[in-house]
Amino acid sequence: KNQVEQSPQSLIILEGKNCTLQCNYTVSPFSNLRWYKQDTGRGPVSLTIMTFSENTKSNGRYTATLDADTKQSSLHITASQLSDSASYICVVSANTGGFKTIFGAGTRLFVKA
Amino acid sequence: DVKVTQSSRYLVKRTGEKVFLECVQDMDHENMFWYRQDPGLGLRLIYFSYDVKMKEKGDIPEGYSVSREKKERFSLILESASTNQTSMYLCASSLSLPGHLNTEAFFGQGTRLTVV
Repeated sequence: KNQVEQSPQSLIILEGKNCTLQCNYTVSPFSNLRWYKQDTGRGPVSLTIMTFSENTKSNGRYTATLDADTKQSSLHITASQLSDSASYICVVSANTGGFKTIFGAGTRLFVKA
Repeated sequence: DVKVTQSSRYLVKRTGEKVFLECVQDMDHENMFWYRQDPGLGLRLIYFSYDVKMKEKGDIPEGYSVSREKKERFSLILESASTNQTSMYLCASSLSLPGHLNTEAFFGQGTRLTVV
């Protein structure tokens, strides 16, 4: 069964600290993995996309990693800011003839001053 | 800037009402999607459309229908609203379908629908 599991469900950190969010998936055959950021009351916005051959990709203070062998991805946030408070959603797409995209439930991050 | 606009941020409707949620995109994208988002669950696909007048059922199409008369507009219809359809509804569009690299979905701001 195609699934995307994210952990932790929620996380509270102090401003300036680093954190890492996890995503495990069983989607097959794998095509690509995206991390989205969703601010409260807004739609998700893409942060990164990773394909099978990519291990690491950065977007400013956000760094995503992918281990296609273990089917795990992480999103590392460096020097967190209050504006990082949001839900982070892992999305995995399958390379089938049809349309198959599985969304994780998200990790809710709270950054405190 | 790319834009996906949903007609309402908040809606309150009564059980049994017919509800229309409208979505417009200005990116000339072929593909448009309707999702619902509930706490603790990932976004779930209701319907999608890959061309004008074309539609495909997603994972949870029951109780919903869609209309795509023009490329830029994709409407979600709740034929007879029920309380279990209270949710956040998100519209999205993309240039390509998943399985292709250019799969970024651009989302609207969402419509929070409450059915009482």
